[in-house]
Amino acid sequence: SQELEQSPQSLIVQEGKNLTINCTSSKTLYGLYWYKQKYGEGLIFLMMLQKGGEEKSHEKITAKLDEKKQQSSLHITASQPSHAGIYLCGARRLSGSARQLTFGSGTQLTVLP
Amino acid sequence: DVKVTQSSRYLVKRTGEKVFLECVQDMDHENMFWYRQDPGLGLRLIYFSYDVKMKEKGDIPEGYSVSREKKERFSLILESASTNQTSMYLCASSWPRRDRRQSGETQYFGPGTRLLVL
Repeated sequence: SQELEQSPQSLIVQEGKNLTINCTSSKTLYGLYWYKQKYGEGLIFLMMLQKGGEEKSHEKITAKLDEKKQQSSLHITASQPSHAGIYLCGARRLSGSARQLTFGSGTQLTVLP
Repeated sequence: DVKVTQSSRYLVKRTGEKVFLECVQDMDHENMFWYRQDPGLGLRLIYFSYDVKMKEKGDIPEGYSVSREKKERFSLILESASTNQTSMYLCASSWPRRDRRQSGETQYFGPGTRLLVL
């Protein structure tokens, strides 16, 4: 089965610093999703990547999918306290019924003011 | 905007009680999902449904059942709650895509229900 590994598990940065979160798959990714979760709440969809080498940005968050489509990175520029939360990557499952996603275990981000 | 709502944000139940968690989406989505989220284990799929009255087991269906009588509503049932079912429960929906920029697999989540079983 496909597994997604996220690193680091947790991250503490000073406000204004840049940071990167990684999501690595044991198999080729056919659809990689990034979500953000504030503590005790649901997941908010951020971005979806499909093509090798694809890059998308939303405000100060940029997500990339490598050419081999086995790793994605999420980069935050000039972090702010509002960026704090848990970031999860999800990928389309290759087996089973269509349209299921499998998720990584998340990266907890703390931004110190 | 897609809206997925869950019946309760917090719930406290006793061991052996029957528990109903409800999820409603307003986007006419065909697929609906129930996950549980536990520290260190991430999101795990319990059950999902791809049409009214259709359901399929996910990775951890034991101890749970589901019901989908109407397209917009998907219920998760704990027949006899146990302490190891204390968790955060998240509902999601997807398909078809409403925005051409998104994939049909994009799942939209509710706010979650934090269940404590004593």
